Amino acid sequence: AQKVTQAQTEISVVEKEDVTLDCVYETRDTTYYLFWYKQPPSGELVFLIRRNSFDEQNEISGRYSWNFQKSTSSFNFTITASQVVDSAVYFCALSEAIGANSKLTFGKGITLSVRP
Amino acid sequence: KAGVTQTPRYLIKTRGQQVTLSCSPISGHRSVSWYQQTPGQGLQFLFEYFSETQRNKGNFPGRFSGRQFSNSRSEMNVSTLELGDSALYLCASSPHREYTEAFFGQGTRLTVV
Repeated sequence: AQKVTQAQTEISVVEKEDVTLDCVYETRDTTYYLFWYKQPPSGELVFLIRRNSFDEQNEISGRYSWNFQKSTSSFNFTITASQVVDSAVYFCALSEAIGANSKLTFGKGITLSVRP
Repeated sequence: KAGVTQTPRYLIKTRGQQVTLSCSPISGHRSVSWYQQTPGQGLQFLFEYFSETQRNKGNFPGRFSGRQFSNSRSEMNVSTLELGDSALYLCASSPHREYTEAFFGQGTRLTVV
């Protein structure tokens, strides 16, 4: 069975601090896909990134970066120079199928609060 | 381009009743998935539809059902409501099943009293 663990439940930082959100996953599949989503107070989930199990290259997109390590089954997300607008709940998710609209197994989410 | 539209946004029902939630995907999107979000269980996959066919189903009782119409709009139905069905129900659409990104609606908040 697939499982995603986000051990951190709530993180509070001051604006401009860097923050890392941890994600550990379990799967018996050799091919799988990992996702990060952001859920602002309005409720909709906003897609941030997808990685596949064959590509361990880390990625940077603006203030966001992701560190995927198969050896430790981790897919961590770092926000550099956090801003108040980054306050949201962040979910890590896992899928055995290629599409983001396939069956996703989500972690419990991490509530990030960025204080001015 | 309009986003994913879910109606109604809020709903209050009594135990034992049934409810139908609606999801209009982004124009041109043919894949629709549904998720239930509760404080205790988090986000859980309900089902996925593509071209009017259910392609995948989560681990929910038969009281939860869904369908997709030829225009890709989708509905989900919950019969014999229980207090534990109170949740935010989220719908997501994408152009096809293998697409990288899914676009979520703002959800329907169902309260069962």
